Amino acid sequence: EVQLLESGGGLVQTGGSLRLSCAASGFTFSSYPMSWVRQAPGKGLEWVSLIYTGSTYNADSVKGRFTVSRDDSKNTLYLQMNSLRAEDTAVYYCAKGPKNTVTRYFDYWGQGTLVTVSS
Amino acid sequence: QSALTQPASVSGSPGQSITISCTGTSSDVGYYNYVSWYQQHPGKAPKLMIYDVSLRPSGVSDRFSGSKSGYTASLTISGLQAEDEADYYCSSHTSSSPLGVFGTGTKVTVL
Repeated sequence: EVQLLESGGGLVQTGGSLRLSCAASGFTFSSYPMSWVRQAPGKGLEWVSLIYTGSTYNADSVKGRFTVSRDDSKNTLYLQMNSLRAEDTAVYYCAKGPKNTVTRYFDYWGQGTLVTVSS
Repeated sequence: QSALTQPASVSGSPGQSITISCTGTSSDVGYYNYVSWYQQHPGKAPKLMIYDVSLRPSGVSDRFSGSKSGYTASLTISGLQAEDEADYYCSSHTSSSPLGVFGTGTKVTVL
């Protein structure tokens, strides 16, 4: 059974940093592209970051501040978030895409971890 | 890139059929057959309901179906049930970025 379990969320001050983790199990983690998707309170979904085959991509809204990485030996996805702003307040989900293709969809999602940025 | 456009809300009575639209551009919905749909209940993670415009993952009810015409994709829920009350989001691959784009979301209410 595929499982994705996020951790690391919490309350942080404006300008601060936080690192999110997503522990994966039930599939060959290293073979699949992984992403972070966030959802601000009461708002829609926003694709934040993608990592696959050694390449990383970030939304313009987080470019230069967020870094996605993975440790395939630990089956874990990370999101390092720096220079946090109030508008980064959201539930952050990690999500798995299909392999050997562009990320056309997410077939599994974690339960999410809440990040609150406040002054 | 801009979000895909969905109606804010759609409602129907139990047993009826409803359709949710998702309008994009020539760079996303109009170009790729890579539209997906997600169901999200309050406080829960999104769940994949449709991928590649019209394919259903294993375990998803056949009351859910997807289609596309031009720049607009659609999700149809037939035989509407109380448990279908949720938010629904479309998503599409786009030529402008490896990151896809989501729709604005539609709240489905079962009357």
